[in-house]
Amino acid sequence: DAGITQSPRHKVTETGTPVTLRCHQTENHRYMYWYRQDPGHGLRLIHYSYGVKDTDKGEVSDGYSVSRSKTEDFLLTLESATSSQTSVYFCAISEGPAAARNYEQYFGPGTRLTVT
Amino acid sequence: AQKITQTQPGMFVQEKEAVTLDCTYDTSDPSYGLFWYKQPSSGEMIFLIYQGSYDQQNATEGRYSLNFQKARKSANLVISASQLGDSAMYFCAMREASQGGSEKLVFGKGTKLTVNP
Repeated sequence: DAGITQSPRHKVTETGTPVTLRCHQTENHRYMYWYRQDPGHGLRLIHYSYGVKDTDKGEVSDGYSVSRSKTEDFLLTLESATSSQTSVYFCAISEGPAAARNYEQYFGPGTRLTVT
Repeated sequence: AQKITQTQPGMFVQEKEAVTLDCTYDTSDPSYGLFWYKQPSSGEMIFLIYQGSYDQQNATEGRYSLNFQKARKSANLVISASQLGDSAMYFCAMREASQGGSEKLVFGKGTKLTVNP
């Protein structure tokens, strides 16, 4: 299994508070991604990173920011959490098309966030 | 416009029978790839199989095979000899090239498969 951890695994927070989710990898993969999963929507990309300090927006980036100061860590921040951000958040990593076996993305275990 | 369509919200199959989960996609990029992931009730995302747009043969991985029909833009997952442990959500996804050589995944909404004993 790819070495990906997410912390915290579960969090309950109040509307308006800041929240930071952490994704940590031990695989030295270049590419990292944050997705959210909601019933009836599958997984949707929030932000992704293609290198240290290189990030870009995904499909549902409003209300989220990210940072990547070193290869192994990719942080997702909700500056002021809202109830619509209650979701399961998945981090994923990949080596990239030049090196990957079949472009596979490896997923972390997920973080269940509840905003009350 | 929806890029990945899974039209079956739920499917039922008898143990030991085969089942096909449907996936259609939309892209104008000649280079693309299709994935299938399994998500059991425990929540983790498990990679099952991948098909590249230029691959000459349909992908197979054990009991999983991908029925890839490029002209119809479909990439259906076939599970042979279903087992109780196959009960899960199944997601079809397509990779899209993006910044810096990264490959974003666009997911369908999923199909919930239930295997009956």
